[in-house]
Amino acid sequence: DVKVTQSSRYLVKRTGEKVFLECVQDMDHENMFWYRQDPGLGLRLIYFSYDVKMKEKGDIPEGYSVSREKKERFSLILESASTNQTSMYLCASSAGQGHQPQHFGDGTRLSIL
Amino acid sequence: QKEVEQNSGPLSVPEGAIASLNCTYSDRGSQSFFWYRQYSGKSPELIMFIYSNGDKEDGRFTAQLNKASQYVSLLIRDSQPSDSATYLCAVRTGRRALTFGSGTRLQVQP
Repeated sequence: DVKVTQSSRYLVKRTGEKVFLECVQDMDHENMFWYRQDPGLGLRLIYFSYDVKMKEKGDIPEGYSVSREKKERFSLILESASTNQTSMYLCASSAGQGHQPQHFGDGTRLSIL
Repeated sequence: QKEVEQNSGPLSVPEGAIASLNCTYSDRGSQSFFWYRQYSGKSPELIMFIYSNGDKEDGRFTAQLNKASQYVSLLIRDSQPSDSATYLCAVRTGRRALTFGSGTRLQVQP
C-alpha cells in the first residue's frame, strides 16, 4: 500500500510566521502534489513536483513556495502566513505519467491566527 | 464554466438502492478519470479510475465513461449507510496533476 505521511494533523500559527508543512511518501513516486481544500471551493492545486529539485506552479501558488531536495519528501512553505491561508492542506503522490492515480496523505488542518 | 462539474447534493438514497453520481468535464483532451470518496474530516481515498469508454466494475462500484458526451458517472449498488460521504470526480487533462470537481455529498438512509 502507498503511504503518504504528513508531518502534522493540526497546526496553529500566527500571522506573519514562516510555516513549513512536510510530506513524505514511501513508494518511490516521481510526482508529488500540494493541494488546499476549502468548503465550497473543492481541492485546488498549489504546486507540484515531477522530480527532485523540479517544481511547477499549480492554480493558486501565490504566497507559497515548495522544496523537493529528496525524491520522497516534498515541503510546502508559507513565507509569511496570513489568515486567508487557514485551510486543510493535502499532500499527494503518484507514479510516472499516464493513468496513475494520486494517493493522499491524511491532511494538515492549518489555522492562522 | 468549471473544468469539472458535479452536483453538490446532497443526494439521498435508501439503503439497498443504487446511487448514481455524475460528473461532466470541459476539456475534450482529458485522458483519465478518477473517483475518490472523502469522509468528513478525512482525506480523499481512491475508489476507482477509468480511461476507456464504457463501463468498469469493481465490486459494488461501476464507473461509466462517455468521452463523446464528456460525462463520467459512478454507480454504487446496494448502497450502505457507510457509503455516506462526499464523492469527488477528478480528471487528468494532460498535466500530471488532477483537476477535481467540488464533490457530491451522498446520504444513504437506513
